[in-house]
Amino acid sequence: DQQVKQNSPSLSVQEGRISILNCDYTNSMFDYFLWYKKYPAEGPTFLISISSIKDKNEDGRFTVFLNKSAKHLSLHIVPSQPGDSAVYFCAARRYGGSQGNLIFGKGTKLSVKP
Amino acid sequence: GAGVSQTPSNKVTEKGKYVELRCDPISGHTALYWYRQSLGQGPEFLIYFQGTGAADDSGLPNDRFFAVRPEGSVSTLKIQRTERGDSAVYLCASSLMSGGRSGELFFGEGSRLTVL
Repeated sequence: DQQVKQNSPSLSVQEGRISILNCDYTNSMFDYFLWYKKYPAEGPTFLISISSIKDKNEDGRFTVFLNKSAKHLSLHIVPSQPGDSAVYFCAARRYGGSQGNLIFGKGTKLSVKP
Repeated sequence: GAGVSQTPSNKVTEKGKYVELRCDPISGHTALYWYRQSLGQGPEFLIYFQGTGAADDSGLPNDRFFAVRPEGSVSTLKIQRTERGDSAVYLCASSLMSGGRSGELFFGEGSRLTVL
């Protein structure tokens, strides 16, 4: 049973527009949510995180929104650039869990067209 | 090196053979993690080391999998009697235990294991 779900396997966006990647979770016992980006043949790289006590965190072009009542988070990229084309993974950490024991979704492949 | 280094980058073996995968973390990182990523899936947690000891091995799928980190730096993931279902990319990551953003792991490029 997947506790972290990314229901869209792919997303295509025009350069300069907003990209919105979505993630749903089923377990209320997560204290941190994270987004990682992965290029082909590379390991995932950390992008941005949000504590469960917040509802928004912003870092440059990247903003993560958390809606705890809906058990939903989203990553907004504005404006999207061709270099943002990658697979994006949503991940969550349990309360009291070890720091690096993260539960990942299956990923969403973002393609930003020039 | 500056990043997490994993060797080999690719390993092809036959069913039933023994395999070792090596991870060299970022210098100064005390925490080390192994994840496994199967085709079409996200990374799946296997084991976490704090220093030389395994602080959390709850993700190891069965007793064919074992990992060590004898000197608190380099780690080796060992898989005995490999099965075709073990085919995946094995990712290693490291992190500082203090400072930084919670959950921020630094991943290597992975070791792709193929069991024929």
